[in-house]
Amino acid sequence: KQEVTQIPAALSVPEGENLVLNCSFTDSAIYNLQWFRQDPGKGLTSLLLIQSSQREQTSGRLNASLDKSSGRSTLYIAASQPGDSATYLCAAAFTTLTGANSKLTFGKGITLSVRP
Amino acid sequence: NAGVTQTPKFQVLKTGQSMTLQCAQDMNHEYMSWYRQDPGMGLRLIHYSVGAGITDQGEVPNGYNVSRSTTEDFPLRLLSAAPSQTSVYFCASSYLRARPYEQYFGPGTRLTVT
Repeated sequence: KQEVTQIPAALSVPEGENLVLNCSFTDSAIYNLQWFRQDPGKGLTSLLLIQSSQREQTSGRLNASLDKSSGRSTLYIAASQPGDSATYLCAAAFTTLTGANSKLTFGKGITLSVRP
Repeated sequence: NAGVTQTPKFQVLKTGQSMTLQCAQDMNHEYMSWYRQDPGMGLRLIHYSVGAGITDQGEVPNGYNVSRSTTEDFPLRLLSAAPSQTSVYFCASSYLRARPYEQYFGPGTRLTVT
């Protein structure tokens, strides 16, 4: 069964710290991986998407990497701010025998708290 | 461009009642899907569609029906609501055959079944 795991479930850091959020997946036949942010009681906001042919993507203070061979993706947040406090979810779309697959398998998320 | 919209935002049902959660997108996306989010379980795929007239089951389809008569709309029907269907429901959409493949999510519907 294809699974996506995010550990730890929660993380608390002081403001200004650079941090890495980890995501692991069980199937190397990954099509793409997407990182989302979810604020309490809100929907999901897409942060970054990495295609299987890419190694990393950057947007502002965020950098996401993908290593298919080790089954890992990381989301790097530079100079964290209290406004970064939220739950971060990674989701993988795996390639099927018929080709591309848009069905996402989600990790359970990492709840980040950035202390002022 | 409204993106992905969902109605209603909140709903309370009694056991056995039926209702339809609405989802619409204005981005001409081929792919649309429904997820439910439960504490400790994460987001799980209920049903999905790769185009008008084509639907398929996801991980947790029991108790839910879908149809896709147009590219824009993908309603989710609960035929006989059960307390186990208390959850937050999210609709999502994306392109299938062209970049970007990024999936966009609606704001969610919070459903309580008593």
